[in-house]
Amino acid sequence: DGGITQSPKYLFRKEGQNVTLSCEQNLNHDAMYWYRQDPGQGLRLIYYSQIVNDFQKGDIAEGYSVSREKKESFPLTVTSAQKNPTAFYLCASRWGEGDTEAFFGQGTRLTVV
Amino acid sequence: QKEVEQNSGPLSVPEGAIASLNCTYSDRVSQSFFWYRQYSGKSPELIMSIYSNGDKEDGRFTAQLNKASQYVSLLIRDSQPSDSATYLCAVRPFYNQGGKLIFGQGTELSVKP
Repeated sequence: DGGITQSPKYLFRKEGQNVTLSCEQNLNHDAMYWYRQDPGQGLRLIYYSQIVNDFQKGDIAEGYSVSREKKESFPLTVTSAQKNPTAFYLCASRWGEGDTEAFFGQGTRLTVV
Repeated sequence: QKEVEQNSGPLSVPEGAIASLNCTYSDRVSQSFFWYRQYSGKSPELIMSIYSNGDKEDGRFTAQLNKASQYVSLLIRDSQPSDSATYLCAVRPFYNQGGKLIFGQGTELSVKP
């Protein structure tokens, strides 16, 4: 089945730790995105990538890092510099050409303990 | 002014009624518009995309776009309890920063049996 897979579904982080959220897609999509959602709010863009080995900061990139070594994979690291990381993290992808829709993975809920 | 604005709701309608969800956006040259449905604790799923002025119908759903008024809406006919969810309006800017989407905060819809 084609789709976007995020793992883990739930993640707990101790203060001061870095954690990495996985996002894999087998849709052959060029562009991939990371969004953050806080309760009762819309989605805010963290990072995005249009091609392998290239990525750009979104609106709230501070405290996060990404890599795009393979077309299928776009992992997000939440670093200790992110002071309020508890949120629902969503990965999305789309075809890079034209004005196409973006599709989401099932999300990772990160909680700081 | 927020870039994409929605009434947060909750919007409550009886089963079988028409639900009307509204969204306004600030960037006059925005080029494409999307409606996503998000059930509690789940990731957003695409319902409709609309790119030109007028109406676009898909089953019980109709998206309406008025670029002059910077307004996009979603009508749900014959509303069902299973339609109860948060509906997110998303806008893609004309300047196409990697195809990113800007989201409203979402409207919570409750359909009462």
